[in-house]
Amino acid sequence: EAGVAQSPRYKIIEKRQSVAFWCNPISGHATLYWYQQILGQGPKLLIQFQNNGVVDDSQLPKDRFSAERLKGVDSTLKIQPAKLEDSAVYLCASSFLAGGLQETQYFGPGTRLLVL
Amino acid sequence: QKEVEQNSGPLSVPEGAIASLNCTYSDRGSQSFFWYRQYSGKSPELIMFIYSNGDKEDGRFTAQLNKASQYVSLLIRDSQPSDSATYLCAGNTNAGKSTFGDGTTLTVKP
Repeated sequence: EAGVAQSPRYKIIEKRQSVAFWCNPISGHATLYWYQQILGQGPKLLIQFQNNGVVDDSQLPKDRFSAERLKGVDSTLKIQPAKLEDSAVYLCASSFLAGGLQETQYFGPGTRLLVL
Repeated sequence: QKEVEQNSGPLSVPEGAIASLNCTYSDRGSQSFFWYRQYSGKSPELIMFIYSNGDKEDGRFTAQLNKASQYVSLLIRDSQPSDSATYLCAGNTNAGKSTFGDGTTLTVKP
């Protein structure tokens, strides 16, 4: 079974530029998550999709971040314009469903973003 | 106060010893708890989860949950140098929302 795929793996941009990340979840997984992990911290949930609907985006900085999951499969996360504090690893995860006590999230390799 | 608190460490144990990692949570809506291991530069990988009070064992790992005290722990028996990593505790609500702690860094010295 293929895991969660993410691209690109690394990205360096200057502040005020825009950037987009792509994620393809495990086949058949209805729930997709985007996390931001700043060095030395745990992952922070940015947005959670159930199929192509948004379940939770309470911590997404909506003035600069946007995400979509068209057709309920792969997803893109965009930052426009980027700030220095956006430098982090962006992790995508998926799970079969959401809310089950045993529901396990599977993480992709992440995209390392450096904003100069 | 963070919803999930962990001691940042570093926690250092000798090879073969028991490593004890602790986590407290404030959201009583959290129903299940997950322990992830994260090697430097890698993404988190699941070790085990627990949702009932008491102990749950899986090989060298034992998770403990005390809902009354809002406390979760992970014990690693016979610690190996390959266990050296950051261990993340996460609490899940019924809606599937995960809240992670900032992790505890464990070093196992040969």
